Amino acid sequence: GENVEQHPSTLSVQEGDSAVIKCTYSDSASNYFPWYKQELGKRPQLIIDIRSNVGEKKDQRIAVTLNKTAKHFSLHITETQPEDSAVYFCAASRGDSSYKLIFGSGTRLLVRP
Amino acid sequence: GAVVSQHPSRVICKSGTSVKIECRSLDFQATTMFWYRQFPKQSLMLMATSNEGSKATYEQGVEKDKFLINHASLTLSTLTVTSAHPEDSSFYICSALTSGGTDEQFFGPGTRLTVL
Repeated sequence: GENVEQHPSTLSVQEGDSAVIKCTYSDSASNYFPWYKQELGKRPQLIIDIRSNVGEKKDQRIAVTLNKTAKHFSLHITETQPEDSAVYFCAASRGDSSYKLIFGSGTRLLVRP
Repeated sequence: GAVVSQHPSRVICKSGTSVKIECRSLDFQATTMFWYRQFPKQSLMLMATSNEGSKATYEQGVEKDKFLINHASLTLSTLTVTSAHPEDSSFYICSALTSGGTDEQFFGPGTRLTVL
């Protein structure tokens, strides 16, 4: 079945450094790739998303890249801050429904002050 | 805009009882809502898709008689965990799609269910 793999599972960076989280997906029909940030015990919040007709998207310190040929997409956070510490999930839309999402296993990001 | 609420936020129940969780879109109409289950330190697993006015569609391996879903209005979907057992203890999160046809899902704050 469809699958989304996410790496690394944990990531610790010094404040000000960059953080990169990578995901791969298996369903070639996936066309929507959101990234969510979830703080402990809270709801997932959409931080950025990208669609298959775009290779890169940036929003201030956050950027996402998509390589459809390789079925890879990545989240890049620059100039990290302690408040960026959270669990980040990537997701890919299911080929049978663009509204259904398959989530990656999550990356716990810790930004050390 | 696009706020989703869930009630209750936490519930503790005895084994064998049923628990109802409500998911509401507060400032928009949601023809489609999703129910997810999240175990500690794990990802979100889609359980079912709730469509207003029609039967819910369940993911493979999810028992529809165990997890009853009702989407009676454009702003409310309910998930009832019937005859709950300790293994049903989990964090249940709903999400909703706006009627504007975009892909973005707006998540509720989640309900932590503990079955004793």
